[in-house]
Amino acid sequence: GAGVSQSPRYKVAKRGQDVALRCDPISGHVSLFWYQQALGQGPEFLTYFQNEAQLDKSGLPSDRFFAERPEGSVSTLKIQRTQQEDSAVYLCASSLKNTGELFFGEGSRLTVL
Amino acid sequence: AQSVAQPEDQVNVAEGNPLTVKCTYSVSGNPYLFWYVQYPNRGLQFLLKYITGDNLVKGSYGFEAEFNKSQTSFHLKKPSALVSDSALYFCAVRDISGGYQKVTFGIGTKLQVIP
Repeated sequence: GAGVSQSPRYKVAKRGQDVALRCDPISGHVSLFWYQQALGQGPEFLTYFQNEAQLDKSGLPSDRFFAERPEGSVSTLKIQRTQQEDSAVYLCASSLKNTGELFFGEGSRLTVL
Repeated sequence: AQSVAQPEDQVNVAEGNPLTVKCTYSVSGNPYLFWYVQYPNRGLQFLLKYITGDNLVKGSYGFEAEFNKSQTSFHLKKPSALVSDSALYFCAVRDISGGYQKVTFGIGTKLQVIP
């Protein structure tokens, strides 16, 4: 596709469930980012990949959060044992090169009950 | 560390009037600066960026921004606001020193253009 694709768009989970959020970046984009956007807030950095290498995971809020990009294309953000405070929109973005702007997907809205 | 401040939660402007959305930044090295717009229930859309060169940068939908190094500011401007410009605007910075890749966003400013 032409843009960054994220799925599912909406996910409702019961507290304690595991969830997996998928991101399909723009073809050829080397860099991939995950952000968390809480209601009324700006996007908060979670993690960054360059190809398959996870170069920065300093923003992951706890060890329940895990991201991977095994073949340097599609990425998955996994959240284990979800808590209510994990409710947010998870945004994925990709970038062609270091100087480039980020291209965002429409996000995955996670609601934890 | 890098950071962005957007001092106004909301900016109201009459249609046809000029608009300014403020942004200041803090980086230890040289910045790349960006503006994004977000419509309800949508992802962020790129508007414009400053990398190097002219301090006045022109972007999509008639928006422009002025980089001011001495004031560490990157305010977003448009000469004549449209109702359709009403949205949430985010300023962002990337510190390019040492190849650091993380892009840090501000909290956002809601722009309301009044007909």
